[in-house]
Amino acid sequence: SQQGEEDPQALSIQEGENATMNCSYKTSINNLQWYRQNSGRGLVHLILIRSNEREKHSGRLRVTLDTSKKSSSLLITASRAADTASYFCATPGYGNNRLAFGKGNQVVVIP
Amino acid sequence: KAGVTQTPRYLIKTRGQQVTLSCSPISGHRSVSWYQQTPGQGLQFLFEYFSETQRNKGNFPGRFSGRQFSNSRSEMNVSTLELGDSALYLCASSQPDEKLFFGSGTQLSVL
Repeated sequence: SQQGEEDPQALSIQEGENATMNCSYKTSINNLQWYRQNSGRGLVHLILIRSNEREKHSGRLRVTLDTSKKSSSLLITASRAADTASYFCATPGYGNNRLAFGKGNQVVVIP
Repeated sequence: KAGVTQTPRYLIKTRGQQVTLSCSPISGHRSVSWYQQTPGQGLQFLFEYFSETQRNKGNFPGRFSGRQFSNSRSEMNVSTLELGDSALYLCASSQPDEKLFFGSGTQLSVL
């Protein structure tokens, strides 16, 4: 089963707007990662946030982590058409999983 | 550094056949993971290899197998293909327990 669950599943926004997506997980973690996937291609690592961090920034990306609520959010500010992609959160899986990925959040940025 | 290379990019097979997919990791990376991605199940972990040893295994039948060579290159094999094996197979390399670098994937279609 999937460890992470993103919400909402699909988002369509105008260029320049901000996009926010959320991820929840079930078990205790020591870090959470976000990845981006352009259509039919491999995933690209965006950012890793550790359990002792509450917020992390990377360029136009801002990630928050709330371990008490077992949730994380990814904010993309001033979106661009090139940000059109699917975004996945990933956590160290339980059992034998290397990384457990959420179902993904499709973002379409309209120029 | 060259990225993760997966071959072939596309593959069409028929039910009952077997298939071998190849992955060359980033130079210096000794950990290679494999994932299956389908629209219905999302990204599912197959297995992880480190220094030629399988370190983790996901919940897939024995028809799915893999191996890693001394140069860290990895192969995965699927025997007795079923229609449900149609998927994008992604390989990722990393330093142990760090972020994953993904290849572009092999799109397998089983007819």
